This record gives sequence, structure tokens and C-alpha cells, in this order.
Amino acid sequence: GESVGLHLPTLSVQEGDNSIINCAYSNSASDYFIWYKQESGKGPQFIIDIRSNMDKRQGQRVTVLLNKTVKHLSLQIAATQPGDSAVYFCADLISGSARQLTFGSGTQLTVLP
Amino acid sequence: GAVVSQHPSWVICKSGTSVKIECRSLDFQATTMFWYRQFPKQSLMLMATSNEGSKATYEQGVEKDKFLINHASLTLSTLTVTSAHPEDSSFYICSAAGLAGGNEQFFGPGTRLTVL
Repeated sequence: GESVGLHLPTLSVQEGDNSIINCAYSNSASDYFIWYKQESGKGPQFIIDIRSNMDKRQGQRVTVLLNKTVKHLSLQIAATQPGDSAVYFCADLISGSARQLTFGSGTQLTVLP
Repeated sequence: GAVVSQHPSWVICKSGTSVKIECRSLDFQATTMFWYRQFPKQSLMLMATSNEGSKATYEQGVEKDKFLINHASLTLSTLTVTSAHPEDSSFYICSAAGLAGGNEQFFGPGTRLTVL
């Protein structure tokens, strides 16, 4: 079956540093990828998405990189702030899957003062 | 825009009782709604996909007779946990996908269910 996994369960960074969160997916048919941020006791919050026909997409302080060759996805957060502390999930969707997302296991990002 | 609400935000019930959770799309019409369950320090696991006016499609291992899903309108889906037991205690999250058929799902804030 398909799996979307994360390399690291936890990540601690100093405030102001850049953060990189990684994700691997296994199904080459996946063609849409999303990063979500989830704060404790809340639902997932959309951060950024990328389609499989792109390698890179930038948002405000965030960049998503997609490497289809090795089936790898990363989320880069620039100048990490205390408010960025949360669990980050990648998720993927396969065309024709009735828009069903498969979530990775999540990475807990902690921003140190 | 694209706001999804859930009610209640938390509920505590006794074992054996049934609990209904509502998921509403407030400013758009959702043809498809999804129900997820999330245990502490774990990821979201899809329970079922609900299309307006039709029966829900349940993921493998999810009991359809225990987790009743109704999607009677384009803005409301309900999940009823019947005869709840302590092992059903979890964080239940819904999401909604709009009429446009795009890939994006909009997530609700979640409902914390605790079964005593």
C-alpha cells in the first residue's frame, strides 16, 4: 500500500533560524502534495501545496520543494518564529482517488527562544 | 472564506451512549466531506468519505454500523458514534471539499471525544 512518511518525528530550532522538514512518499502516482500545520487541540491548517508538475513553490516565509525522482518533499520555513511551533504533516493525493488525502506521521517542530 | 465548523468542540459521555458530531461548511457548498480520527501524537487517519445525498464510503477497518455518517445537505455532515466505548476516545476532525472539484480540503477545528 501507499505510505507517506516523515524522516524525523521531532525538530528543534533556534528562533530566527531556518527550519527544514522532510517527507517521503512511495506512490509515483501521487500528483498533489500539501503541507499542513496543526497546533495542539486544533484542526490542520493549510500552509502550502504543490503539484507534481512543479519542483518548487514559495509562499510567505515557506518554500516547498518536490523531488519526484526520489519521491521526496520538503518544507522550508525561513526565520522560524515561536508561533511556528506545531506539528507539521505532509499529505498527498492521487488523481482519481476521490480527493482522499493520505497523511504522513507528522513532525513536531519546537522553536527555542 | 472556506470556513468549516464542528460542533461540539469537545464532549464527554458515558460508555454505551451515542454521540453526534456536526460538521458544517459555513461559506461554501461541499459535495464531499471527510471524517478523520486522530489519536494522541499520531497522524490523521481517514475514516470515511461522505458525498452529499449518497452513502458514505468507509475505510478498511472502520465499522459503518458504529460510526454512522449522514450528509443530507451540501453544508452539513454528521458523524454519530454509537454505543461509544473508552477506546473510541479520540480527536475527530472533518474536512470539506467544494463544488469546484479542486483538490483542496478545508478542515474543521476538531471535536475531542472522551468516553468514560
